[in-house]
Amino acid sequence: NAGVTQTPKFQVLKTGQSMTLQCAQDMNHEYMSWYRQDPGMGLRLIHYSVGAGITDQGEVPNGYNVSRSTTEDFPLRLLSAAPSQTSVYFCASSYGPRTPRDTEAFFGQGTRLTVV
Amino acid sequence: GIQVEQSPPDLILQEGANSTLRCNFSDSVNNLQWFHQNPWGQLINLFYIPSGTKQNGRLSATTVATERYSLLYISSSQTTDSGVYFCAVVKASGTYKYIFGTGTRLKVLA
Repeated sequence: NAGVTQTPKFQVLKTGQSMTLQCAQDMNHEYMSWYRQDPGMGLRLIHYSVGAGITDQGEVPNGYNVSRSTTEDFPLRLLSAAPSQTSVYFCASSYGPRTPRDTEAFFGQGTRLTVV
Repeated sequence: GIQVEQSPPDLILQEGANSTLRCNFSDSVNNLQWFHQNPWGQLINLFYIPSGTKQNGRLSATTVATERYSLLYISSSQTTDSGVYFCAVVKASGTYKYIFGTGTRLKVLA
């Protein structure tokens, strides 16, 4: 198993550009989520999905869009990048809600995004 | 919402020393995990430990769910232990959102 794979690892965008951060998992996990990490802070939840076709907002959803058309993939879209979106982005997955043990999360390696 | 506080915020150790990191949380949880973020930014799962005690080599963790805290012990620290240690919890109320603490930044000196 590759686990949780994020691409790209690094990206520089100009203000106003759009892009998609990719996240894929091969563990048949139902639950997937996106976090951002700003300097000196812990991770904050952007959006999450409890299964294909189902998404919801987290703590800091503004400026981001998600969709979940398959179990494996959960892309994060920046519609019009702003300097405030400069951050490190992590994707995570877990089996989901069947039992508490199934909530153990596995994280991707992160995408470092700079918006200039 | 649930609050997760970690202490100390920063820690500097000489190689070979032992340390204890603490995580306090303000509500009942279904899940608690400890992560190590290495200097390259990777998040590494250390422990899934909603209650009880676990050990993995030089690292061990204890969660006392009834008192809402968890401890991570690092013994005989090595320079490769440097990085940031995060505690993250899932609230015990049917949600599956991880709430992260702000971390403990550890630096181990050779």
